[in-house]
Amino acid sequence: GAVVSQHPSWVICKSGTSVKIECRSLDFQATTMFWYRQFPKQSLMLMATSNEGSKATYEQGVEKDKFLINHASLTLSTLTVTSAHPEDSSFYICSAQGPLLGSGTEAFFGQGTRLTVV
Amino acid sequence: AQKVTQAQTEISVVEKEDVTLDCVYETRDTTYYLFWYKQPPSGELVFLIRRNSFDEQNEISGRYSWNFQKSTSSFNFTITASQVVDSAVYFCALSDYTTSGTYKYIFGTGTRLKVLA
Repeated sequence: GAVVSQHPSWVICKSGTSVKIECRSLDFQATTMFWYRQFPKQSLMLMATSNEGSKATYEQGVEKDKFLINHASLTLSTLTVTSAHPEDSSFYICSAQGPLLGSGTEAFFGQGTRLTVV
Repeated sequence: AQKVTQAQTEISVVEKEDVTLDCVYETRDTTYYLFWYKQPPSGELVFLIRRNSFDEQNEISGRYSWNFQKSTSSFNFTITASQVVDSAVYFCALSDYTTSGTYKYIFGTGTRLKVLA
């Protein structure tokens, strides 16, 4: 299957700093990327959807000024957590879809990034 | 509204027992996709199966089998002769077509499976 690489796999940062997480599709063009957040023992909650070259669409309750998403190319999307606070500590997962992959509905997931804000 | 319900929060079984994980979904779409993913402690999501709404055939893959019934909006997952390595959180997901032309995944709350040696 298609490969999505997410980096870093874990990061610890100080409160008030910003953290950038990268999501790359290695062997296909990802026209759409999704960012999810997962708190311990909870489900994956969609944060935002981004299409290459367009502004991201955020889900209700997600602060777009805090979680900056950039999808500048067909193989790279980034999520920047600005002015991170301990309550932002979570597991962040990206997924990518591409129109040339079968029905186009299948999404491929990155390995996830565990963010700890101290 | 589209929704996925996994009523079983946590299940514990003894190794070699069979176990079924339930998934019930709601959607108004006539074309949709259902998925099962496994999430081990490492956190990475492992794809298990995709099923489209027009294909109600049950599927078997080794010790795994899936029962899709549109009449009851269910897509249940059975592990036969469970093993300790099956211990993980299992998510059922529904692929929902959005007005922007993309398919968005809606995840259930997950079922934590513990297989005891």
